[in-house]
Amino acid sequence: RKEVEQDPGPFNVPEGATVAFNCTYSNSASQSFFWYRQDCRKEPKLLMSVYSSGNEDGRFTAQLNRASQYISLLIRDSKLSDSATYLCVVNSQGGKLIFGQGTELSVKP
Amino acid sequence: DVKVTQSSRYLVKRTGEKVFLECVQDMDHENMFWYRQDPGLGLRLIYFSYDVKMKEKGDIPEGYSVSREKKERFSLILESASTNQTSMYLCASIQDRGVQPQHFGDGTRLSIL
Repeated sequence: RKEVEQDPGPFNVPEGATVAFNCTYSNSASQSFFWYRQDCRKEPKLLMSVYSSGNEDGRFTAQLNRASQYISLLIRDSKLSDSATYLCVVNSQGGKLIFGQGTELSVKP
Repeated sequence: DVKVTQSSRYLVKRTGEKVFLECVQDMDHENMFWYRQDPGLGLRLIYFSYDVKMKEKGDIPEGYSVSREKKERFSLILESASTNQTSMYLCASIQDRGVQPQHFGDGTRLSIL
């Protein structure tokens, strides 16, 4: 089983749609969680950290469920510019970050 | 703003060559990392370093070595390049492991012919 697993993609949605990505992790000792965004042929960039109480940044909402070892990212009112690959990232023991394979999002006009 | 700079965006080398990928960060970060990213496999950690002259193997160190002579520079070395090392290579740095997100360089797309 992979340490971090994400929803398979690609997700093709119309502009204005709400889309949710899910991610599960296997190491219950993990303490830090992040969502990164990666545009085609570019480096990953931090989108947002994920806190236990859940957190929101504009149209983006991240949730963490420690009991189920589950992380989610919700994007409301999708824009064309949201098209990218979204990476779920979890810190492992020793501080190494483990990356999910990523979920590709394509927002269409 | 943190700046992580990789020496080349695109590189083409031949099988058997010794290849050096350079990475420099300007924020005095303790920790530096080298990943490779391949379709369907995501980012995989090759090596990381938590201090000058210190290094630790990641998940896929075979065929690679690293060098950290100065705090700001972390080099990835392909001792004898092979075609299965064709990939996107990403360098990252961070001050405190396990707490903060990593900052990535632009990536080096390496092709081994």
